[in-house]
Amino acid sequence: LAKTTQPISMDSYEGQEVNITCSHNNIATNDYITWYQQFPSQGPRFIIQGYKTKVTNEVASLFIPADRKSSTLSLPRVSLSDTAVYYCLVLSGSARQLTFGSGTQLTVLP
Amino acid sequence: DTAVSQTPKYLVTQMGNDKSIKCEQNLGHDTMYWYKQDSKKFLKIMFSYNNKELIINETVPNRFSPKSPDKAHLNLHINSLELGDSAVYFCASSQDRRINNSPLHFGNGTRLTVT
Repeated sequence: LAKTTQPISMDSYEGQEVNITCSHNNIATNDYITWYQQFPSQGPRFIIQGYKTKVTNEVASLFIPADRKSSTLSLPRVSLSDTAVYYCLVLSGSARQLTFGSGTQLTVLP
Repeated sequence: DTAVSQTPKYLVTQMGNDKSIKCEQNLGHDTMYWYKQDSKKFLKIMFSYNNKELIINETVPNRFSPKSPDKAHLNLHINSLELGDSAVYFCASSQDRRINNSPLHFGNGTRLTVT
């Protein structure tokens, strides 16, 4: 099972672009990379998923290099409301992969 | 029109008691889950049901018993509560059991405090 490593915390200022990197050195061929966001007192919310290169939606972009051993979640022009914990998961078919790590606490400052 | 709703939001009880947490989803999803989130924010999967059939049971003490009366409901019953059971419990659902292709939709959690 691919293990993920991400920074424990990050600070940013309103209006800046934030990049959160996740390492998954032993990612398997069938694995997809998925990111979730969790606000205090709420359940996690799906943000984006990708397999390779770049994926973009209305919320974020996900950059995945050719070797797929890492991925970067990019949040453009963050606001105070983007303060949350961000989780990176690598998923193929094993249910055990559905356990979330401790995530990255992003704090957006005014 | 909450998609995944769980009740109660808060639950305070004493050691040794038995309690239940209820979960309902109105998304028409086939698969439902229970997660436990500890104080370090790790979210660990406990159980999953697909169309009322248990498909995941992740080494959880048998004091925890999930029940799925239909595919829209997955309840969690906990017997003989212990201090270590204190945590936030999240219910989630997904369209189907293909975890790499079905995003999870979570409820807002039940904070269980055992005294």
